[in-house]
Amino acid sequence: GAVVSQHPSRVICKSGTSVKIECRSLDFQATTMFWYRQFPKKSLMLMATSNEGSKATYEQGVEKDKFLINHASLTLSTLTVTSAHPEDSSFYICSATRPTNYGYTFGSGTRLTVV
Amino acid sequence: DAKTTQPPSMDCAEGRAANLPCNHSTISGNEYVYWYRQIHSQGPQYIIHGLKNNETNEMASLIITEDRKSSTLILPHATLRDTAVYYCIVRGTTSGTYKYIFGTGTRLKVLA
Repeated sequence: GAVVSQHPSRVICKSGTSVKIECRSLDFQATTMFWYRQFPKKSLMLMATSNEGSKATYEQGVEKDKFLINHASLTLSTLTVTSAHPEDSSFYICSATRPTNYGYTFGSGTRLTVV
Repeated sequence: DAKTTQPPSMDCAEGRAANLPCNHSTISGNEYVYWYRQIHSQGPQYIIHGLKNNETNEMASLIITEDRKSSTLILPHATLRDTAVYYCIVRGTTSGTYKYIFGTGTRLKVLA
């Protein structure tokens, strides 16, 4: 149980376009989800906390107009990278709080390449 | 900032126990220690967690020192598939929502 599905797993887009990444909790409800970014051979960097029905909370230095987060239901949060540029290329990972004490469950990640 | 420090890398022979240390000297009384691992190009996978007692599950054992300032994750019989980056994280109680701040982790390489 406690599966988090992330889609797409891999996406290539042109510079200037927007890309949406979905994060779904498949068998539980998640009032809070988190979005991370990871560069090659580096650790995960928390970008924002997504709360169902309210605005996301962004970490310092993360542009909220660049990375739009929507958490419209208890099972879905989306991250939209707007007007993407090559420097936005990265591995994006979401996680969701589990209903037990077993920590957070992570999605499998999305590899974004902006060309 | 991450509340944990770990050695950047370790090697372990296949079939041997892998002991991965973690320092969390500023841990608070209500904070749990969680361990995750990340295999290349995948999301982190939960391994084990504990508060102050030692814990064991089908994947690993977690040894927490009495003062709770450090812990060790033990993979009893490492296999090549255990090659991954291992992260130690401290987190508050489940009554609230606490975000994970990842440190640099330990890159474990299991050698044949």
